[in-house]
Amino acid sequence: GESVGLHLPTLSVQEGDNSIINCAYSNSASDYFIWYKQESGKGPQFIIDIRSNMDKRQGQRVTVLLNKTVKHLSLQIAATQPGDSAVYFCAENMGQAGTALIFGKGTTLSVSS
Amino acid sequence: NAGVTQTPKFQVLKTGQSMTLQCAQDMNHEYMSWYRQDPGMGLRLIHYSVGAGITDQGEVPNGYNVSRSTTEDFPLRLLSAAPSQTSVYFCASSRQGGAPGELFFGEGSRLTVL
Repeated sequence: GESVGLHLPTLSVQEGDNSIINCAYSNSASDYFIWYKQESGKGPQFIIDIRSNMDKRQGQRVTVLLNKTVKHLSLQIAATQPGDSAVYFCAENMGQAGTALIFGKGTTLSVSS
Repeated sequence: NAGVTQTPKFQVLKTGQSMTLQCAQDMNHEYMSWYRQDPGMGLRLIHYSVGAGITDQGEVPNGYNVSRSTTEDFPLRLLSAAPSQTSVYFCASSRQGGAPGELFFGEGSRLTVL
């Protein structure tokens, strides 16, 4: 079936490095793609989204890139900090009134100082 | 504002027992949904609602019931718990007209079925 997945389950970086978290998706009909951050013991927290008609969107220290040709989504975190350590999920909006998201399995980002 | 509040935070059930996970939001959001999260997996959508009186099934609805009698509340009912329903459950809400993927999640309810 249609699904959203991530390339790597874990990623370890040094404080100050840039981090890139990747995600592959299979549903060409998805309208929005979203990144969430989940800290231990907490619910997921929205980071940034991108519409399917865009290639790039920037936020504060984060950039999301969308490559529809190869169905690839990435989240770039600049100057990674220890507080960025968390599990990151990509998700796609299946167009059902903005509430039904399909999540990937997650990448655990570990930042060492 | 409290945001999205889930109760209980922890629950242990025996197979066959029933229970209700409560979810309330005070942001006047139209949309609410329930997800379950299993180890090493992303969140999977159980049920969702686009407004009071309206609910629909997600990816994994079997074994769960929901209702939406008010805008604020969206309880999830397990009628006959099974060990396969051991999971962490998250309730989320979002605003009609907001960013389509921006859900506000509760802190989760950890359920163990023996």
